[in-house]
Amino acid sequence: DVKVTQSSRYLVKRTGEKVFLECVQDMDHENMFWYRQDPGLGLRLIYFSYDVKMKEKGDIPEGYSVSREKKERFSLILESASTNQTSMYLCASSPIAGGFIDTQYFGPGTRLTVL
Amino acid sequence: AQKVTQAQTEISVVEKEDVTLDCVYETRDTTYYLFWYKQPPSGELVFLIRRNSFDEQNEISGRYSWNFQKSTSSFNFTITASQVVDSAVYFCALSESYNTDKLIFGTGTRLQVFP
Repeated sequence: DVKVTQSSRYLVKRTGEKVFLECVQDMDHENMFWYRQDPGLGLRLIYFSYDVKMKEKGDIPEGYSVSREKKERFSLILESASTNQTSMYLCASSPIAGGFIDTQYFGPGTRLTVL
Repeated sequence: AQKVTQAQTEISVVEKEDVTLDCVYETRDTTYYLFWYKQPPSGELVFLIRRNSFDEQNEISGRYSWNFQKSTSSFNFTITASQVVDSAVYFCALSESYNTDKLIFGTGTRLQVFP
């Protein structure tokens, strides 16, 4: 079974803090993704990576950065957390299949609260 | 432009009722994939099904069935004899051959099944 793990289920931080969210997958997938999920807005893509040290902006990259130093690990960084970044953060991974984005497998999510 | 619409924000049913979740998509591509995911209260998105645009056969998996109709750009999901454990948010998503960066998610339908 594909397993995607996220470092924390719940996280509380203060405004201005630097926040790291870690994601690890064990299926040797090429692609990894970070989404945020907010009520009424569904899932919005923040960043994704299709290879080590590669990253691409998604729909809402402002205020975030990412790091992928190893294939299995994809980190989301909030350089200076703000209250509007309070959200559920979901990590996903997927293999490449004929040029398509194949099935994405998700981690359990991190519910981040910024005070 | 590509888009996935789940017009039903929330549905409530009583156990053993059948329920259909609607998904309508827009794409200019002729080759694409459609997905359904389930997000139970625990938060993790669980993959349910992937269907490619060339396969219009309906699919049945236990109490779950999917009706794909290209003529109406719909990929509806039916749960037969619903159970309390089916209570979750369900997301429909689209992946296109020319836009391989990401899945496009609908905003989700919250299904509540009451005993």
